[in-house]
Amino acid sequence: EVQLVESGGDLIQPGGSLRLSCAASGFTFSSNWMHWVRQAPGKGLVWLSEINGDGIITNYADSVKGRFTISRDNAKNTLYLQMNSLRADDTAVYFCATGNYLYALNIWGQGTMVTVSS
Amino acid sequence: QSALTQPPSVSGSPGQSVTISCTGTSSDVGNFNRVSWYQQPPGTAPKLMIYEVSDRPSGVPDRFSGSKSGNTASLTISGLQAEDEADYYCSSFTSSNTYVFGTGTKVTVL
Repeated sequence: EVQLVESGGDLIQPGGSLRLSCAASGFTFSSNWMHWVRQAPGKGLVWLSEINGDGIITNYADSVKGRFTISRDNAKNTLYLQMNSLRADDTAVYFCATGNYLYALNIWGQGTMVTVSS
Repeated sequence: QSALTQPPSVSGSPGQSVTISCTGTSSDVGNFNRVSWYQQPPGTAPKLMIYEVSDRPSGVPDRFSGSKSGNTASLTISGLQAEDEADYYCSSFTSSNTYVFGTGTKVTVL
């Protein structure tokens, strides 16, 4: 079964750091571009970042560039999102996603909640 | 990168058709046939409904169709069913090698 399972969400104080993980199974992880998308409570989807199969190419939304870092460990079939200098407006459910259709995401995790609050 | 513009809500009776618009710019929707649509019922992860403007993944009913004209893409749901009630988001690849989602549209089946 194709599956993505996020973990690492937590309640964190403003200015803090957090690393999210996304464990993949059921497909050839190293062949897929992987993405992070977030959704603040009651709000819409926001694309954050992507990384190519070998981890060489990364792209970021302007809103997180310089604060968030995407990475992957193909030996562990795991995707990561390192989040630094967290702010209240980073509070959201964070999804990892990938796809076997061009420029589209058809495989999603269930999401992990990050709450930034003092 | 600003979010693509969608109407906040659309509604229709069972069996009717509804169309959701998604307006971007020449840097995203207008420049690439890389528009996708997602369905998201409350409390669930998004589900891909359309990719590359008008293609349907396997398993998506042919009641769902997509199109594009200029900087605006559209999703049409024909023969509306109760199970179609959800939030819908468009997405586009951009000239900055990033992606942008739409503001989201709530579809209500009357």
